[in-house]
Amino acid sequence: NAGVIQTPRHKVTGKGQEATLWCEPISGHSAVFWYRQTIVQGLEFLTYFRNQAPIDDSGMPKERFSAQMPNQSHSTLKIQSTQPQDSAVYLCASSLGQGGYEQYFGPGTRLTVL
Amino acid sequence: GEKVEQHESTLSVREGDSAVINCTYTDTASSYFPWYKQEAGKSLHFVIDIRSNVDRKQSQRLIVLLDKKAKRFSLHITATQPEDSAIYFCAANGTGNYKYVFGAGTRLKVIA
Repeated sequence: NAGVIQTPRHKVTGKGQEATLWCEPISGHSAVFWYRQTIVQGLEFLTYFRNQAPIDDSGMPKERFSAQMPNQSHSTLKIQSTQPQDSAVYLCASSLGQGGYEQYFGPGTRLTVL
Repeated sequence: GEKVEQHESTLSVREGDSAVINCTYTDTASSYFPWYKQEAGKSLHFVIDIRSNVDRKQSQRLIVLLDKKAKRFSLHITATQPEDSAIYFCAANGTGNYKYVFGAGTRLKVIA
């Protein structure tokens, strides 16, 4: 079991460019979460999928952020027209389900927007 | 929505002593309270959790206490070792029972 896989580990973009982050959850896990970690804001929930269906995207900045889960083996987080304030570590987590199941976190993607 | 406050931003203890990290939450519907450890440059690693149907859980040197009336939970690390040095995050699952709301983190330093 390789755990949750995230690629790339580091990404540097110029202001206004697009960034796509990838996550491969643990096989058999039905729930996938995206969080963002910054020094100032700490750990923030972005979005959640259950059995590939989007359930809650209440933490997503609406205009430029989107997330998809086209199949059970991967999810993507896309940020359009990146801004310096998008610089953060983006963490993907998966769990067996909702309701008190441990979430397993990936290593994260460190996004730097210049 | 749920808010989780982690009371100690930093904590220094001598090796062998106990460390206690305290968190409070606001949503009475929260039923699951995990703790995560983050070492420098690494991701979050699960350490222990507690569910609302119990008030104490122990795993080796880690003890979690939950006081539902006070909406407070705490992590006790006994016989601390230098490798316990890390940032510890508490979390609660809030209403809806899936996403975590995290505390701000406690940087624990164990001094040899």
